[in-house]
Amino acid sequence: EVQLVESGGGLVQPGGSLRLSCAASGFTFSIYAMYWVRQAPGKGLEYVSGITSNGGSTYYASSVKGRFTISRDNSKNTLYLQMGSLRAEDMAVYYCARGPYSSGWHAPRNWGQGTLVTVSS
Amino acid sequence: QSALTQPASVSGSPGQSITISCTGTSSDVGGYNYVSWYQQHPGKAPKLMIYDVTDRPSGVSNRFSGSKSGNTASLTISGLQAEDEADYYCSSYTSSSPVFGGGTKLTVL
Repeated sequence: EVQLVESGGGLVQPGGSLRLSCAASGFTFSIYAMYWVRQAPGKGLEYVSGITSNGGSTYYASSVKGRFTISRDNSKNTLYLQMGSLRAEDMAVYYCARGPYSSGWHAPRNWGQGTLVTVSS
Repeated sequence: QSALTQPASVSGSPGQSITISCTGTSSDVGGYNYVSWYQQHPGKAPKLMIYDVTDRPSGVSNRFSGSKSGNTASLTISGLQAEDEADYYCSSYTSSSPVFGGGTKLTVL
């Protein structure tokens, strides 16, 4: 069974940093592209960032480009999102999600339960 | 990428059928057969209901079906049940990044 477990969310002040992690199990992590998707309170889904299976290609939403960095450690079956210069509008539930292929920005098939990031002073 | 366009809300009575549309462009919905649909209940993670326009993952009821015509994809739910009340999102592949629709709230009357 595919399992994706996010961690690292919490309360952070505006301008602060936070690193999210996503522990994957139940599948061969190293052969799938992965995503971070967020959902602000009462709002819709937004793709934040994606990374191909070997980490060779990434993309970022324009709203986070230059502030967030996605990475993965295939030896640890873990996906990361380093978030910096956090703003109030970054407050959301952040989901880790697995793509269906190693590359190409196809919609995810599997999702974690999410971790809440709260940005407030 | 601009979000795909979905109706904000749809409603139907138990047993009826409803259709949710998802309109994009030739750069996303119309250009590829890679449209997915997600169901999301309050406080829960999204659940994949349809992928590649028409395919259902194992375990998803055959009351859910997908289709596409031109730049518009559609999700049809037949034999509406109370548990179908949820938010529904479409998503499409593009060459640069995937894109979501704004979401549709389905109310079962």
